[in-house]
Amino acid sequence: AIQMTQSPSSLSASVGDRVTITCRASQGIRNDLGWYQQKPGKAPKFLIYVASSLQSGVPSRFSGSGSGTDFTLTISSLQPEDFATYYCLQDYNYPLTFGQGTKLEIK
Amino acid sequence: EVQLVESGGGLVQPGGSLRVSCEVSGFTFSSYWMSWVRQAPGKGLEWVANIKQDGSEKHYVDSVKGRFTISRDNAKNSLYLQMNSLRAEDTAVYYCARDPRYCTGGVCYTLFDYWGQGTLVTVSS
Repeated sequence: AIQMTQSPSSLSASVGDRVTITCRASQGIRNDLGWYQQKPGKAPKFLIYVASSLQSGVPSRFSGSGSGTDFTLTISSLQPEDFATYYCLQDYNYPLTFGQGTKLEIK
Repeated sequence: EVQLVESGGGLVQPGGSLRVSCEVSGFTFSSYWMSWVRQAPGKGLEWVANIKQDGSEKHYVDSVKGRFTISRDNAKNSLYLQMNSLRAEDTAVYYCARDPRYCTGGVCYTLFDYWGQGTLVTVSS
């Protein structure tokens, strides 16, 4: 199975900061990667697909990039509602695998 | 409005069985791949299984192969996960998720655009 490793595992930041979360695949996965946001006690929310395409309705401060093995999720200016845990998901092959998550906390 | 509602979770003893369900509304269920994703308490997300629109193709994570079966009833707008030989490590919130399969340039991508609220399965004696 392809392993997805996110870094950092946790991150403290302030409203207005620019933050970047990284996801690394154990083998090349083209651009077969999505990003999800999850708040405590809630179902995940879909943000980005095909590494860099923004899902409809998701604020433009979110962006994704990367291809092959290295991917990033960037939030250009953190808003209070962005504090959550973020997961990457590879859909290059089965089994689909998530990263372990990055918890974004308020500094 | 798209809705996915899971049910059927509960407490079951190790070695026991349970079936969880996901009833959907607000979209044409038979047009979508569907998946189950689980989350153990305090842990990350784990994809469990998926099923094609007509049920002709299914995939599973290795840890549940031979124990779990995904199925669907398009007439009832419902997705199921039959879980047998349950283990403590199967304890989790089980989410169903819709997969619209974005396709471009001859490649189709899995994405989960709508999720249910989850149902908790606890395996314990």
